[in-house]
Amino acid sequence: GAGVSQTPSNKVTEKGKYVELRCDPISGHTALYWYRQSLGQGPEFLIYFQGTGAADDSGLPNDRFFAVRPEGSVSTLKIQRTERGDSAVYLCASSQGGGLTGEETQYFGPGTRLLVL
Amino acid sequence: LAKTTQPISMDSYEGQEVNITCSHNNIATNDYITWYQQFPSQGPRFIIQGYKTKVTNEVASLFIPADRKSSTLSLPRVSLSDTAVYYCLVGLRNDYKLSFGAGTTVTVRA
Repeated sequence: GAGVSQTPSNKVTEKGKYVELRCDPISGHTALYWYRQSLGQGPEFLIYFQGTGAADDSGLPNDRFFAVRPEGSVSTLKIQRTERGDSAVYLCASSQGGGLTGEETQYFGPGTRLLVL
Repeated sequence: LAKTTQPISMDSYEGQEVNITCSHNNIATNDYITWYQQFPSQGPRFIIQGYKTKVTNEVASLFIPADRKSSTLSLPRVSLSDTAVYYCLVGLRNDYKLSFGAGTTVTVRA
């Protein structure tokens, strides 16, 4: 359990379905970040947790996206009524401290590849 | 949302030095500059971080001019395994968003 893990590694779903993506951060890391990465693009910030609370969710594209981190460790990104445009790699990262200044080194998981048909 | 700008791609040969410059005109006073490396089907991996002047570690150097509006990642003596996408990340305190650039695809040839 040395690194950040994400499950599932791949997810194929149909338009309109609900999906949950899970992230297990490095033990002891208080900050957790979700990003979305489309093909050929850099990671796009979605949401940042400090402990159990979402310190910044301004990157979530709309109200179909929601994320939780109830115990300050594992986080789940939830997408309702999926659309084809949601297809992307969803990356999770954790850092020891927190913040959005970029000072804290982020450790990324391998991502979940979501395909919405 | 402030942006970072990097070249889209760079080609090099084994043993050469590769320098990638990132522009970040809107960087805030206390923000750091971090570079990440990403291989296909993997998440980004930390390479180096700096605030000002020069930082060097075992894999790279980072040069930051006094105005901090840009930074240059230097990879000495690259090998085939350095072929990857390199991202410049600037934390933006005033915007509270983490801005990855579009990345620079570095291709190292034998």
